[in-house]
Amino acid sequence: DTAVSQTPKYLVTQMGNDKSIKCEQNLGHDTMYWYKQDSKKFLKIMFSYNNKELIINETVPNRFSPKSPDKAHLNLHINSLELGDSAVYFCASSHRQGNEQYFGPGTRLTVT
Amino acid sequence: GQSLEQPSEVTAVEGAIVQINCTYQTSGFYGLSWYQQHDGGAPTFLSYNALDGLEETGRFSSFLSRSDSYGYLLLQELQMKDSASYFCAVGDSSYKLIFGSGTRLLVRP
Repeated sequence: DTAVSQTPKYLVTQMGNDKSIKCEQNLGHDTMYWYKQDSKKFLKIMFSYNNKELIINETVPNRFSPKSPDKAHLNLHINSLELGDSAVYFCASSHRQGNEQYFGPGTRLTVT
Repeated sequence: GQSLEQPSEVTAVEGAIVQINCTYQTSGFYGLSWYQQHDGGAPTFLSYNALDGLEETGRFSSFLSRSDSYGYLLLQELQMKDSASYFCAVGDSSYKLIFGSGTRLLVRP
């Protein structure tokens, strides 16, 4: 059974489009995260939810909107995609104390 | 400011021991973690230190000195499959991890 899953694995789209990435975890964790990893492999937190409540919202353009329908799911919607949004987006989850996080396989987003 | 520093690249021979250092400067401290990431893969959790000292998990050990804002990951009996990127990460709050820029480890035969 996959612990943290993301769909789609690859996403190629044009500038200006709107797209969504879905994430689900079956680990029973309370906290979920979205990270962006750029071409230099720098991994940066974007958002974090604990029990469906937004607890971390880093300096991310408001074109990015996370949604957590329940504590097992955290989706990421991106409006008006730009070239600079091209990256790998990872979903992760953890128990309340977030030092041990479990990552999904990643979604490679390419904006052309 | 918040920063974590680790070497960008390390090369070692199969069977050897390698140490990857990490120094940090963060506004909060909720422990030091280490993650491994193979090319094209996802980061996977390796170890966590909340208190000073050495934590051992099989071939991997991790050390923390809070007074020096310093830690390291020690990999013993290196295998080819250990070739990957290794990230240190500091818990800046209960929920937030700040990652270093990663150390690319290349294990040669």
